[in-house]
Amino acid sequence: KQEVTQIPAALSVPEGENLVLNCSFTDSAIYNLQWFRQDPGKGLTSLLLIQSSQREQTSGRLNASLDKSSGRSTLYIAASQPGDSATYLCAVTDSGGGADGLTFGKGTHLIIQP
Amino acid sequence: DTAVSQTPKYLVTQMGNDKSIKCEQNLGHDTMYWYKQDSKKFLKIMFSYNNKELIINETVPNRFSPKSPDKAHLNLHINSLELGDSAVYFCASSHSGRAGEQYFGPGTRLTVT
Repeated sequence: KQEVTQIPAALSVPEGENLVLNCSFTDSAIYNLQWFRQDPGKGLTSLLLIQSSQREQTSGRLNASLDKSSGRSTLYIAASQPGDSATYLCAVTDSGGGADGLTFGKGTHLIIQP
Repeated sequence: DTAVSQTPKYLVTQMGNDKSIKCEQNLGHDTMYWYKQDSKKFLKIMFSYNNKELIINETVPNRFSPKSPDKAHLNLHINSLELGDSAVYFCASSHSGRAGEQYFGPGTRLTVT
């Protein structure tokens, strides 16, 4: 059974710093990995999707890496801003095409101090 | 245009009642999902539905049943509501044949009193 762990559970950093959020998964047989952000009381916004054959994806100040063999992914946020404050969720789709849905981690609650 | 929409946004009801939550996607996706986010904010898959094939997470009580009138809709019906059903329910959709990126609706906060 797939399990996803995110470290740290919470993180508070001053504005402008670069930071890394970590995600690990127990079964490396994944189809893809997705990073989301969730603002309080809101839905999930997809940030980056990495296919199992890819090593990284970039979008603006965000860079996500994937090391499938070791069961790890990182989300790098450059030059953090107060608007980046949110909960960041990592989720994997097990191989088989996604019919079983995403398995989520419990998230990293990020606060960027102005 | 909203990609994945849910109604209602908030639902307050009493124990024992039957209720439904509607979900619609206008992305042309062929797979839809329901997730439950509990009070500790942990998200867990409940159902996925693809081409008339329903996959159910074994932990979901049979009081919960998804109904799909067409490919763009997957509604969630809940019978005999219990206090423990209080949560935020999210609908999502994806195209199973492609990258499988899932797009989520805004969520429905269900409160059972």
